[in-house]
Amino acid sequence: ETGVTQTPRHLVMGMTNKKSLKCEQHLGHNAMYWYKQSAKKPLELMFVYSLEERVENNSVPSRFSPECPNSSHLFLHLHTLQPEDSALYLCASSQRSGSGEAFFGQGTRLTVV
Amino acid sequence: KQEVTQIPAALSVPEGENLVLNCSFTDSAIYNLQWFRQDPGKGLTSLLLIQSSQREQTSGRLNASLDKSSGRSTLYIAASQPGDSATYLCAVWGGGADGLTFGKGTHLIIQP
Repeated sequence: ETGVTQTPRHLVMGMTNKKSLKCEQHLGHNAMYWYKQSAKKPLELMFVYSLEERVENNSVPSRFSPECPNSSHLFLHLHTLQPEDSALYLCASSQRSGSGEAFFGQGTRLTVV
Repeated sequence: KQEVTQIPAALSVPEGENLVLNCSFTDSAIYNLQWFRQDPGKGLTSLLLIQSSQREQTSGRLNASLDKSSGRSTLYIAASQPGDSATYLCAVWGGGADGLTFGKGTHLIIQP
């Protein structure tokens, strides 16, 4: 399998649930990202991991918790979310040197009820 | 803070026309600029990447230009087809620890 893979593709969760989103990249990149895409708004950067260390979190609420166990895998742990957190969550990877071209996964459509 | 603007927000044209999508950014200190395509409910597909030292890139019927000093890029689509219908996103990368900064996109409809 190639590229960036995200699971699950769709997720419905209650406000008291705990769930996790998973991202895996098969491109040998050394940086991974979480973005949030809400209706009528530009994609928003949530977290950046470079060489498995978090370098930026952009003041994201603590109910979102990222984890990067190795350079190929990225998780976003979710707990006590709000309905306004419903959105498309996109994972991306890039090589910080060279062209820096970013590649995205297909996203997880999250609905909080 | 970098800001990216895309004009127009929406565009509907008959099949076969050539068209231009515009992107502008406020901080010219960029490492690269990417154009993406997004189909409804799907992820982003990279179309073209232009490094800050480059003026343009071409892929098939797509041509992207970059004028870094004026903070502008254009995506030219030749001989448009219904399959080109999608949202087109422009994004810039400042390098270092930054992620991409995106515009809101241009929603394109090609009428058969």
